[in-house]
Amino acid sequence: SQQGEEDPQALSIQEGENATMNCSYKTSINNLQWYRQNSGRGLVHLILIRSNEREKHSGRLRVTLDTSKKSSSLLITASRAADTASYFCATVEDKIIFGKGTRLHILP
Amino acid sequence: GAGVSQSPRYKVAKRGQDVALRCDPISGHVSLFWYQQALGQGPEFLTYFQNEAQLDKSGLPSDRFFAERPEGSVSTLKIQRTQQEDSAVYLCASSFLREGLVDEQFFGPGTRLTVL
Repeated sequence: SQQGEEDPQALSIQEGENATMNCSYKTSINNLQWYRQNSGRGLVHLILIRSNEREKHSGRLRVTLDTSKKSSSLLITASRAADTASYFCATVEDKIIFGKGTRLHILP
Repeated sequence: GAGVSQSPRYKVAKRGQDVALRCDPISGHVSLFWYQQALGQGPEFLTYFQNEAQLDKSGLPSDRFFAERPEGSVSTLKIQRTQQEDSAVYLCASSFLREGLVDEQFFGPGTRLTVL
């Protein structure tokens, strides 16, 4: 079973626009991680946010965490064609559970 | 430096055959994970090692699945009497432990298993 649920399942936007993906989960967590997967590079870690953090930035990525709502969001600003990929959240408590992912497609 | 490597990259097995999948983690990484990923789905946790100790094998789907990491480095995932539903990509990941918790995972390229 998978705990994290990403929303939307699929997203298509124009290059240069911002993309927002959401992740909801059910139980308590120690940290939450976001990963990107494309056919060229496999699964790559993007950013980790700990349960006592509310927001984190890394380059064009911004992640928020709301533990009261058990949700996280990933914002990619100024999207590029190379951002086309599937994005997964993974919740970490006593084990690591990945969601089903959001398929992001950047249109030229 | 070298990342996580997995071999073989592709494996075709006849139903009933045994297979062994190998993972070479990043040197010095304490934690090692195996995942199964079906097409269009996220990775599903199979098992977790901390050094040579298998701390969690709750995700292994049946007793046909067995994993080991005898010297705390290379790991092997073995599937006995393969079935068609075992067809998937098997991913290995390794990571440091930070404050006793799993940190960023580094994934290998995966082994795509097809059972005919």
